[in-house]
Amino acid sequence: ELKVEQNPLFLSMQEGKNYTIYCNYSTTSDRLYWYRQDPGKSLESLFVLLSNGAVKQEGRLMASLDTKARLSTLHITAAVHDLSATYFCAVDILPMEYGNKLVFGAGTILRVKS
Amino acid sequence: DGGITQSPKYLFRKEGQNVTLSCEQNLNHDAMYWYRQDPGQGLRLIYYSQIVNDFQKGDIAEGYSVSREKKESFPLTVTSAQKNPTAFYLCASSIGNSDTQYFGPGTRLTVL
Repeated sequence: ELKVEQNPLFLSMQEGKNYTIYCNYSTTSDRLYWYRQDPGKSLESLFVLLSNGAVKQEGRLMASLDTKARLSTLHITAAVHDLSATYFCAVDILPMEYGNKLVFGAGTILRVKS
Repeated sequence: DGGITQSPKYLFRKEGQNVTLSCEQNLNHDAMYWYRQDPGQGLRLIYYSQIVNDFQKGDIAEGYSVSREKKESFPLTVTSAQKNPTAFYLCASSIGNSDTQYFGPGTRLTVL
């Protein structure tokens, strides 16, 4: 059974600090997605990582994918309060020609304190 | 405006009732998905459809049914066979393979 594990599950950090969220998965895949969810809201797409070594950056967030280690990271630089949310990684477990089927991690709740 | 709409936003169901959640998209996406989210947990896939008139079970399909008669619409019925249906239900769509899934605003279902 595929497992997608995020850690930490809860992260409280000070504004201005850096931190990394980890996403490990147990099956072969070269497609991984990061989403953000605000309380009571839907999911917003952050990053799509489609190959080994892929790195994407948007503002204070940077995501990377190492398919050999089955690991993705979401790095937060100089955190600000607006980044407070729950962050999910999701692994695509179907071969590309068969479509798009995601398995989600449990989510990391991020709280940035001023 | 292109997007995904879900209705209703809140839904209350009595024991033994079937209820249908609506999901519509005007993004011209081929694939559509239904997920369930329980408090403090990630999303779990209920059903997905990659083309009209075809759909596949996800990881937790028992007690749910879907149809895909039109490209724009993918309604989910929560049947009385679903023993613990209280959850947040999210519909998503994507253009096709390896593409980002875009999510609707969700329906919060509560069993009374």
